[in-house]
Amino acid sequence: DGGITQSPKYLFRKEGQNVTLSCEQNLNHDAMYWYRQDPGQGLRLIYYSQIVNDFQKGDIAEGYSVSREKKESFPLTVTSAQKNPTAFYLCASSRTGPLNEKLFFGSGTQLSVL
Amino acid sequence: QKEVEQNSGPLSVPEGAIASLNCTYSDRGSQSFFWYRQYSGKSPELIMSIYSNGDKEDGRFTAQLNKASQYVSLLIRDSQPSDSATYLCAVNPFSGGYNKLIFGAGTRLAVHP
Repeated sequence: DGGITQSPKYLFRKEGQNVTLSCEQNLNHDAMYWYRQDPGQGLRLIYYSQIVNDFQKGDIAEGYSVSREKKESFPLTVTSAQKNPTAFYLCASSRTGPLNEKLFFGSGTQLSVL
Repeated sequence: QKEVEQNSGPLSVPEGAIASLNCTYSDRGSQSFFWYRQYSGKSPELIMSIYSNGDKEDGRFTAQLNKASQYVSLLIRDSQPSDSATYLCAVNPFSGGYNKLIFGAGTRLAVHP
């Protein structure tokens, strides 16, 4: 079945450590996105990518980095510069073009700080 | 700063009643509007999309859009306990291309038997 796979489901970060969240999709979508969700809040866009080897900062990119070396993969690294990383992280993908705006979400990664 | 506002709730309705969820947005040029349902600890799932003024019905769900007043609403008829979730309103301020959706904080709906 086609879909988006995020791993791990739960992740713990030690102070000063970089951690990487995995996101893989087999929907043949061009566009991929990373969102952060804090309790009681909506989703905020961290980074997005429309094509391989190209990505753009979203509203809260500081302390995060991404790569898009393959169409299927869009990993997110939470760096030590992100001082408040505890949140629920959601990866999404979509087709591009007019009215191709339905986002397909992965199951999410809950990141906590030890 | 483009914004999407929702009442956080909880909105409590009895089983079988109509639940009415509302959302306002600040960018008058927004073109597309979405309602997502999110169960606790799960990812959002799209339940309705609407692009033009008026009503759009899909089963027990009706989305209503009024661009002049900059609001979009979701009606859930014959509410069921399984509808209890957080409903996120999302707005795309761009006409196609990048899906830089702006999400509201969500309204928590509780349907009690």
